[in-house]
Amino acid sequence: SQQGEEDPQALSIQEGENATMNCSYKTSINNLQWYRQNSGRGLVHLILIRSNEREKHSGRLRVTLDTSKKSSSLLITASRAADTASYFCATLRRGANNLFFGTGTRLTVIP
Amino acid sequence: GAVVSQHPSRVICKSGTSVKIECRSLDFQATTMFWYRQFPKKSLMLMATSNEGSKATYEQGVEKDKFLINHASLTLSTLTVTSAHPEDSSFYICSARDLSLSVSSYNEQFFGPGTRLTVL
Repeated sequence: SQQGEEDPQALSIQEGENATMNCSYKTSINNLQWYRQNSGRGLVHLILIRSNEREKHSGRLRVTLDTSKKSSSLLITASRAADTASYFCATLRRGANNLFFGTGTRLTVIP
Repeated sequence: GAVVSQHPSRVICKSGTSVKIECRSLDFQATTMFWYRQFPKKSLMLMATSNEGSKATYEQGVEKDKFLINHASLTLSTLTVTSAHPEDSSFYICSARDLSLSVSSYNEQFFGPGTRLTVL
C-alpha cells in the first residue's frame, strides 16, 4: 500500500488544548513532511523533518521523528479554532521521487 | 514564490465527455509534476508522475488510456480524464517540484489548490 497510517483518524479538542497526531510508515525515508488541508482545498506544507533529525519546531508546531520505530508525531500547541483541518504526513522514500501520504487525521478545535 | 495553480477549480460534466485539467507552476520551472486523486475524507493517492518531455509514469491500477497526462513544458502539465463516468468524480490535485531544488534529498513539492470533478 502507498499509505502510511495515522492515528487518531479523528480528534476533537477544546480551543487552547494541545493536539497530537501520530504517523507510522513502512520503509526507509529521506524525509517526512506534514501537510494541512482545509475541507475541499489544496495542501499547505507545514514542516519537513529529515531522516537524520529527531525533532523540529515551527511556531506552535513540534514534530518528532523516530526512524527506529518508523514513526512521527505532530504536536500543535495552544490550538485555535482556525486549526480545524485534516493533517497528513507524507514520506519521501529513499530512491523515490514522489511523496507517499498517510491516511490523515481530521482535527476539530471547538471554540 | 513557488505557486502552483490548477484550472479549472471545479468542473461538472456529463458522462462520456472528456475533461482537461491544467497544472501550472507560476514562478518556477518544474521538471516533474505529480497527479494525485483524493476521495472524500480520504488520503491522496498518487496517480502518475509526469516528467517534462517524456511519457508519464503511472501507478499500478491507474489506466493510462483513461487518464492522459501531457507535460509539454517546464511550467505546464495537463491531465485529461477521457470518457468520464460518475466513478471518476473526485478531487484531483497536482504538485510540482522546483528544478532548482531537485538535486537534494529535500525534494520540496508545491501543491496546487485542486480540481473538483463531478461527472453526472
